[in-house]
Amino acid sequence: DAGITQSPRHKVTETGTPVTLRCHQTENHRYMYWYRQDPGHGLRLIHYSYGVKDTDKGEVSDGYSVSRSKTEDFLLTLESATSSQTSVYFCAISEDPGVYEQYFGPGTRLTVT
Amino acid sequence: GENVEQHPSTLSVQEGDSAVIKCTYSDSASNYFPWYKQELGKGPQLIIDIRSNVGEKKDQRIAVTLNKTAKHFSLHITETQPEDSAVYFCAAMGTGGFKTIFGAGTRLFVKA
Repeated sequence: DAGITQSPRHKVTETGTPVTLRCHQTENHRYMYWYRQDPGHGLRLIHYSYGVKDTDKGEVSDGYSVSRSKTEDFLLTLESATSSQTSVYFCAISEDPGVYEQYFGPGTRLTVT
Repeated sequence: GENVEQHPSTLSVQEGDSAVIKCTYSDSASNYFPWYKQELGKGPQLIIDIRSNVGEKKDQRIAVTLNKTAKHFSLHITETQPEDSAVYFCAAMGTGGFKTIFGAGTRLFVKA
């Protein structure tokens, strides 16, 4: 398995509180991605990174921000959590767009009450 | 915007039978089509992929076909086994490789 860990694995938080999810990789892959998974929607891209300090928005980026200060870490922040952000969040990595394959982490289940 | 439609949403087969999952995509620039399997409580894992210059690819009991003209691709699993039970996602990626659009998923049940 690709060396990807996500923390925390489960979190319950209240509406309006800030939340940060962490993705850590040991593969030294350049590209990292955050997805959310909801029933009936598959996986939807929130943000991605193509290098340290280089990030861009995905299709569902509203309400989320990201940061990447080191190759191995990609942080996803919900500045003020809402119930619509209750979801399972997956981090993914890939070595190179030319290689294409993405490896996924184990996921973080976030519940906003 | 870009879209990938996947059918059926649920599929139940007897052990030993074949299973077919179909996807259509909207972006004609898409050139890479991976299929992922997701088991309960885990992240998706790539099981097979196909690129736009190939019409069919096989890996043991799994095969994928691509029809670029019609913009659809399919996953075929033969001789299904109970361990094939999982959620399967198709996806399409355009040039640049930054953004992958996923289908909504198919929950496959293989009955022993």
